[in-house]
Amino acid sequence: SSELTQDPAVSVALGQTIRITCQGDSLRTYYASWYQQKPGQAPVFVFYGKNIRPSGIPDRFSGSSSGNTASLTITGAQAEDEADYYCNSRDSSANHVVFGGGTKLTVL
Amino acid sequence: EVQLVESGGGLVQPGRSLRLSCAASGFSFDDYAMHWVRQAPGKGLEWVSYINYNSGSTGYADSVKGRFIISRDNAKNSLYLQMNSLRAEDTALYYCAKDYSSSSVGAFEIWGQGTMVSVSS
Repeated sequence: SSELTQDPAVSVALGQTIRITCQGDSLRTYYASWYQQKPGQAPVFVFYGKNIRPSGIPDRFSGSSSGNTASLTITGAQAEDEADYYCNSRDSSANHVVFGGGTKLTVL
Repeated sequence: EVQLVESGGGLVQPGRSLRLSCAASGFSFDDYAMHWVRQAPGKGLEWVSYINYNSGSTGYADSVKGRFIISRDNAKNSLYLQMNSLRAEDTALYYCAKDYSSSSVGAFEIWGQGTMVSVSS
């Protein structure tokens, strides 16, 4: 099965913009989804594909994709955005799904 | 309110079995694919299994294939995971998750709070 690669950790100054990336062969075929997970909580769905942002997710969260790389951009990061972020997508193997290893975002 | 509530976790000895359940409410359960995802303590998310809206298609991670069986009862708005031949490495918090689609696009729109499975002698 395929793999999705994420940077283990990134940081951003309060109010600045950060792009979290996810790389993998499956992203050439399938859209990525993004999840936010805070300590002790279940993951929260924050973006899917080109333009699907669930209701209740601030519009500072956006997604994009090019080739084998998907990105989640937070424009004007807030303190409450500090969390682990995971990407996933369908896998090239039939009926499989793959997750990235997660990126820990620190807001300075 | 859209909600998923898992149950059935616990402490079990290696080699034994356990059945997890997930009760869904607040949406048309039989319209959507469902998944199980697990997270070992201090680790990342790992997809475990999927079932489409009418049980016509399933999928399993290589790590559980042949040991775990996913099923659903649309009349009861419930999802299940039968876990056999459990190993220490199956120790994790198990989440059920609703897909964005009736098949599987791998977009997990709604998550439960999880049920903990610990495999130890």
